[in-house]
Amino acid sequence: DSGVTQTPKHLITATGQRVTLRCSPRSGDLSVYWYQQSLDQGLQFLIQYYNGEERAKGNILERFSAQQFPDLHSELNLSSLELGDSALYFCASSLRQGAGNTIYFGEGSWLTVV
Amino acid sequence: GIQVEQSPPDLILQEGANSTLRCNFSDSVNNLQWFHQNPWGQLINLFYIPSGTKQNGRLSATTVATERYSLLYISSSQTTDSGVYFCAVSSIYGGSQGNLIFGKGTKLSVKP
Repeated sequence: DSGVTQTPKHLITATGQRVTLRCSPRSGDLSVYWYQQSLDQGLQFLIQYYNGEERAKGNILERFSAQQFPDLHSELNLSSLELGDSALYFCASSLRQGAGNTIYFGEGSWLTVV
Repeated sequence: GIQVEQSPPDLILQEGANSTLRCNFSDSVNNLQWFHQNPWGQLINLFYIPSGTKQNGRLSATTVATERYSLLYISSSQTTDSGVYFCAVSSIYGGSQGNLIFGKGTKLSVKP
């Protein structure tokens, strides 16, 4: 158990809908990362927050947004869903950002868009 | 951006055999981690190893940062070692963020 908690574990929704994935980082970790794993794109970095502020953006679509709240949990919002958004979404956390920093991953949220 | 290449892409072993997985990266790194993704999709931390050598039971890893590669050794493999092994790095040129860039993985199948 990495200590990173993600909900829901599985989600099935229809095209055009909107979903929210939730992440609680390990106790004391300030940095939260979101990753998407799909069959064709592999594991891709989406976005990073540190202590409530956005710090880095990767291959995140404009239809997707995220935030980190004062209690350090984070949410990833996916809207106008398409079939191609079906993937395993990981949240990860670390104590700090930058060097010398082990990053721990949650168990993921399986999203299926039908 | 930094490139991460893993080899071999696929590996089939008999239970009890040893194996070596390789990760090459194109820039200097300040973070390198090895993960095991099990058949249920969980990403399990194996090593944080931007340089040097570490061992944990039957697994060990070595990173030679100056030559930009890392090796993961699995000895006396077991069927539970099956899954995909990922190498992920963070470039020193990536600013202070530290987000990891993943290779495509090595899919390991251990047969009984």
